[in-house]
Amino acid sequence: AQRVTQPEKLLSVFKGAPVELKCNYSYSGSPELFWYVQYSRQRLQLLLRHISRESIKGFTADLNKGETSFHLKKPFAQEEDSAMYYCALSGAYFYNTDKLIFGTGTRLQVFP
Amino acid sequence: NAGVMQNPRHLVRRRGQEARLRCSPVKGHSHVYWYRQLPEEGLKFMVYLQKENIIDESGMPKERFSAEFPKEGPSILRIQQVVRGDSAAYFCASSPSTVTGAYGYTFGSGTRLTVV
Repeated sequence: AQRVTQPEKLLSVFKGAPVELKCNYSYSGSPELFWYVQYSRQRLQLLLRHISRESIKGFTADLNKGETSFHLKKPFAQEEDSAMYYCALSGAYFYNTDKLIFGTGTRLQVFP
Repeated sequence: NAGVMQNPRHLVRRRGQEARLRCSPVKGHSHVYWYRQLPEEGLKFMVYLQKENIIDESGMPKERFSAEFPKEGPSILRIQQVVRGDSAAYFCASSPSTVTGAYGYTFGSGTRLTVV
């Protein structure tokens, strides 16, 4: 079954501390993995995707196929990083649909 | 570019009434996706439409729910005879036809449906 698991509902850190938001997936194929972010009172927006191997706002995520994980990391958290983060996968490469399967989300709180 | 517009932002319906949720995609986008977010859960795919066609409705409940994306006008998600369990946030996303959808999604702000 296709599934995305984000084990932490809430992650609280102090400014400047490292952050790792966990994401594990289950998928019988080669998925595309994404991180979406929702800041307070704003709409959901794409943060990064594994295929582009980019760093956005200091965040990176590496796809580990052996561990079926796609954890989101940032070495030094900032207060403006406080938001809801969703991990998602797509099987678009193999199916004629681009639907996303989302995890339940992790709320990141960065304290000053 | 106004982005994906959803209205209303908040909708309250009594049990048994109908709910109509509207989604206007980004200008030029011909692919629309609807997702539902129940309390304490992630977004769940409901339906994927292109102009005048339903491409994938594997996430739609079998009864009371329908969706359309006409040639002109917004996409509509319609819920007939609402029940308390339909209370959720409903999100719409759109993508251009020339870009693989999951890479080019733009989400709307959502409609929060409350059934009383």
